[in-house]
Amino acid sequence: QVHLQESGPGLVKPSQTLSLTCTVSGGSISTGTYYWSWVRQPAGKGLEWIGRVYTTGSTNYNPSLKSRVTISVDTSKNQFSLKVTSVTAADTAVYYCAASNDAFDFWGQGTMVIVSS
Amino acid sequence: DIQMTQSPSTLSASIGDTVTITCRASQSISRWLAWYQQKPGKAPKLLVYQASRLENGVPSRFSGSGSETKFTLTINNLQPEDFATYYCQQYDGNSYSFGQGTNLEIK
Repeated sequence: QVHLQESGPGLVKPSQTLSLTCTVSGGSISTGTYYWSWVRQPAGKGLEWIGRVYTTGSTNYNPSLKSRVTISVDTSKNQFSLKVTSVTAADTAVYYCAASNDAFDFWGQGTMVIVSS
Repeated sequence: DIQMTQSPSTLSASIGDTVTITCRASQSISRWLAWYQQKPGKAPKLLVYQASRLENGVPSRFSGSGSETKFTLTINNLQPEDFATYYCQQYDGNSYSFGQGTNLEIK
């Protein structure tokens, strides 16, 4: 059973960079069994896939966010990370990390990020 | 991008009812369709993947069907714990997208 845990600042100022890390336990990121994804959900709204990274470092991004998003993997720490640049209030959301193939099999509990000055 | 449209947005039902949620894709996705249940303050939970495969541990009253562009999630004999929001999700090989969600509420 893979367990994921998000961590990072809960408050980010507008125009700054949002940075989150997901720590994976119960399995190695390096096995290649899963892609490692980020999904977000504004309060009271639906789910939005942000992007994913594979153990090799290969990435895919949501075209609507691609210009501002970077996802990377650190296999030595069994972690993967998300950076979103030039944030605005529209980036305020619960951010989830997840293990995915064609579906999202395992999810972290989510972390709330508020963009506000 | 593949757009996913769920209907209805809200569904009112009673304990013991059978309900069906529909998800339509803007283009064919074969059977690369998953369904999730989400309760307030919790992460989504995978129920069905590849259109009709039930995730381990999910009660058999949940079932999925469909292919290409039209998919359904059916819940038989609704139980109190089934009242939640349901999302469909497609996979096109490189990206994912979700439906807008269906809020299943108690009548």
